[in-house]
Parts: sequence; structure tokens; C-alpha cells
Amino acid sequence: GAGVSQTPSNKVTEKGKYVELRCDPISGHTALYWYRQSLGQGPEFLIYFQGTGAADDSGLPNDRFFAVRPEGSVSTLKIQRTERGDSAVYLCASSRGWDGPGELFFGEGSRLTVL
Amino acid sequence: AQSVTQLDSQVPVFEEAPVELRCNYSSSVSVYLFWYVQYPNQGLQLLLKYLSGSTLVKGINGFEAEFNKSQTSFHLRKPSVHISDTAEYFCAVSPQGGSEKLVFGKGTKLTVNP
Repeated sequence: GAGVSQTPSNKVTEKGKYVELRCDPISGHTALYWYRQSLGQGPEFLIYFQGTGAADDSGLPNDRFFAVRPEGSVSTLKIQRTERGDSAVYLCASSRGWDGPGELFFGEGSRLTVL
Repeated sequence: AQSVTQLDSQVPVFEEAPVELRCNYSSSVSVYLFWYVQYPNQGLQLLLKYLSGSTLVKGINGFEAEFNKSQTSFHLRKPSVHISDTAEYFCAVSPQGGSEKLVFGKGTKLTVNP
């Protein structure tokens, strides 16, 4: 597709379960970002990949959160032992890396609800 | 560290009226500044950005913003709004020469009424 694709669009799970959220960036984009948006808040940075490596993971809230991008394209955000406070919309964005700072293209997000 | 304050959580206006959405930031280093827009059921998209040079920047859909370093502000303006401008608007900053990550404000919901 032409844009950033995120699956699933909605995920409902129970407290304590494991969840994976997938992001398919725009073809050719080398940089990929994960953000989390809680109700009434702006997007909050989680992690940034340049190619296959995590260039900045300072936003991951704790060790239950992990993200991978093994081939430099698709990325998966993994959340272990989910908690009710993890409920949010998880946003993925990608960029070409040379359009200048902040030129991010966002997906529509994956809404996670932890019961 | 950087922070962004969007002073109005909701702004209702009538169609064809002018609008200003306010954004103030805090940073100990120079920053780049951005406005993103999120239309209903769509992903965020870049409206405009300030990197350097002229402090007045123009974006898509007739929006513009002015960077004011002394007041640490980057307010967004449009002289005449349309119903289709109804959306949530987010101001964001990133440090110059630093990480690629953006720090966003909480957003301003603009509602344009007929």
C-alpha cells in the first residue's frame, strides 16, 4: 500500500496476556518510530529504528515492552504481561530519513484495550 | 528535555472565521517545530514545520505558523476556516542536532461549525 499499515486496528486482551502489534512502513523508508497515545494526550515516543537497529529506545516504559525490526522493514511491538494501564492507541510512523527532521508519515494506529 | 504546551484543548469556530491555535514550548537547546493534523479516522499528517530561516512558515490547506523565539511560541493560524478543517491539531518539537524523536503537545480539537 501507499501508506503506513498497522495491524490489528483493534485488539482487546485480558490482563496478563501477551500482545504483538505489527507495523508495515512505506516502502523504502529507512526510519521507523513507535509512539503511544493515551486518551486525551498527545503521542508519546517509545522507540526509533534506523534500519534494523534501535537507535533510541529511551521511551519504552519498562522491560515488558520490546520492539524488533529484523529485516529493516516491518516492525513488531511486543508487550508482555499486559496491564490495564497499557490501554492506548499505538502509533507507528516511518520516514525517508532525508526529508529533514520530523517529516514522519503515520499509520492509523492499533487501539489496545486491556481488560 | 523538551516540553510542549497547547493552551486550548478545544476551539470551536464558525466557518469562514479566522482561527489561532496556540503552542508554547520549553527547551534548554534550540529546537525544530512542527504542527501535525489528525482528521477523523486518519493518521497524523505533517501540516508545516520550522527548521531555520524565515520565522513565518506556510503549510498545506492555507495554514501558517510563526516562530517567536523570545516568547517560545509557535502559534498556528488560518485566516478563514472551512468545515473540512475540523480535526485535532498537535504541536511538536525536536532538539536540533539531537534525537529524531518528537515531543508532542496534548492537542487542540478544532471544530468548525456552519
